[in-house]
Amino acid sequence: AQSVTQLGSHVSVSEGALVLLRCNYSSSVPPYLFWYVQYPNQGLQLLLKYTSAATLVKGINGFEAEFKKSETSFHLTKPSAHMSDAAEYFCAVSAGFGNEKLTFGTGTRLTIIP
Amino acid sequence: GAGVSQSPSNKVTEKGKDVELRCDPISGHTALYWYRQSLGQGLEFLIYFQGNSAPDKSGLPSDRFSAERTGGSVSTLTIQRTQQEDSAVYLCASSPRAGGLLKYNEQFFGPGTRLTVL
Repeated sequence: AQSVTQLGSHVSVSEGALVLLRCNYSSSVPPYLFWYVQYPNQGLQLLLKYTSAATLVKGINGFEAEFKKSETSFHLTKPSAHMSDAAEYFCAVSAGFGNEKLTFGTGTRLTIIP
Repeated sequence: GAGVSQSPSNKVTEKGKDVELRCDPISGHTALYWYRQSLGQGLEFLIYFQGNSAPDKSGLPSDRFSAERTGGSVSTLTIQRTQQEDSAVYLCASSPRAGGLLKYNEQFFGPGTRLTVL
């Protein structure tokens, strides 16, 4: 079974500041890990994914995440926040082979302060 | 090209009525997923179709929920005797193929159907 925990349902950062959204996972098999973003009244969009290749994964819009097996973490970062980054972010895990259904965290709403 | 489409975008119904939600996946995608996004439960997996294989129904919350996929393309999620706790956004996703040995197949999400049960 897989699960993810996102620490902080709401995060606020100033424009230009570092963005750090936390995600910890639990998985009985080597996990596939994902970050999705949801803008208001829109569907989910894949930001980046980890599928057992490089542990530092770069995604769209300047976001990246690092898979740390020892810490069971997959935190999302961006060096400099932009107003357009305001959205809800979801971490997700799947078992990969055979059935790629996603188990999502509860989400983190990111607010950017001008 | 066209993405995943869902209809209706909004549905308001009375408690006890049946509803049908439709999903049109991306052409050529063989895997199709339904998820539910609600305030109380977050984003939850409901059901998954892959080609002609038996669907994985392990996420359906009760026997009032069912889904079918006709001709390997369009899918309909049916909720019978709706309850207020069924109010949520129902999301559909499709991917080129699930279970690939060398490559994870990204799921592309539709905009969702917002269901409100009065």
